[in-house]
Amino acid sequence: DTGVSQNPRHKITKRGQNVTFRCDPISEHNRLYWYRQTLGQGPEFLTYFQNEAQLEKSRLLSDRFSAERPKGSFSTLEIQRTEQGDSAMYLCASSLDWNTQYFGPGTRLTVL
Amino acid sequence: AQRVTQPEKLLSVFKGAPVELKCNYSYSGSPELFWYVQYSRQRLQLLLRHISRESIKGFTADLNKGETSFHLKKPFAQEEDSAMYYCAEGAGGTSYGKLTFGQGTILTVHP
Repeated sequence: DTGVSQNPRHKITKRGQNVTFRCDPISEHNRLYWYRQTLGQGPEFLTYFQNEAQLEKSRLLSDRFSAERPKGSFSTLEIQRTEQGDSAMYLCASSLDWNTQYFGPGTRLTVL
Repeated sequence: AQRVTQPEKLLSVFKGAPVELKCNYSYSGSPELFWYVQYSRQRLQLLLRHISRESIKGFTADLNKGETSFHLKKPFAQEEDSAMYYCAEGAGGTSYGKLTFGQGTILTVHP
């Protein structure tokens, strides 16, 4: 197990297009988190799952954002009708219960 | 809302000098606090958490509830300590596990 993986690593899209990112957590981890990081800022919490249940969503997560974790394993984050303000690094992390969160390498989104 | 403040965006020291990275938090209860580090071209990784009271790579951090601070310290900085450091606070209650990060401090250790 090489840790949390995220795909793609980079995504360039045009404004108005839909994008989907994938996160594969460490296999036995039941919690999965999504964060967003913009230039010069620390990561900001977006949402998290315990197994397949989405337990909390940040106010940062507008209606254009949706996240799923259908079988309690990998998760997807979809952004519909992307805007330039969505350009950021999207980070995924996983943990076993409330223990240490292990982060993935991130997906860098650029919206032109 | 929780708030984590790291007042220094940049910090430069020479090798062998002591280093202190400042962090202040806002939660008034029993906070769970962390320091994460990101080395160049690597992913974010946990450096230490206050509950474990460990010393990792020579770094320690003491929780001061009176000053709501959790400063990171190392007595003798090494060049390989150059990195971005983030202080983070874990939420309680139903949001348990959610992290609130500070803006980060870039530490540069000169030879």
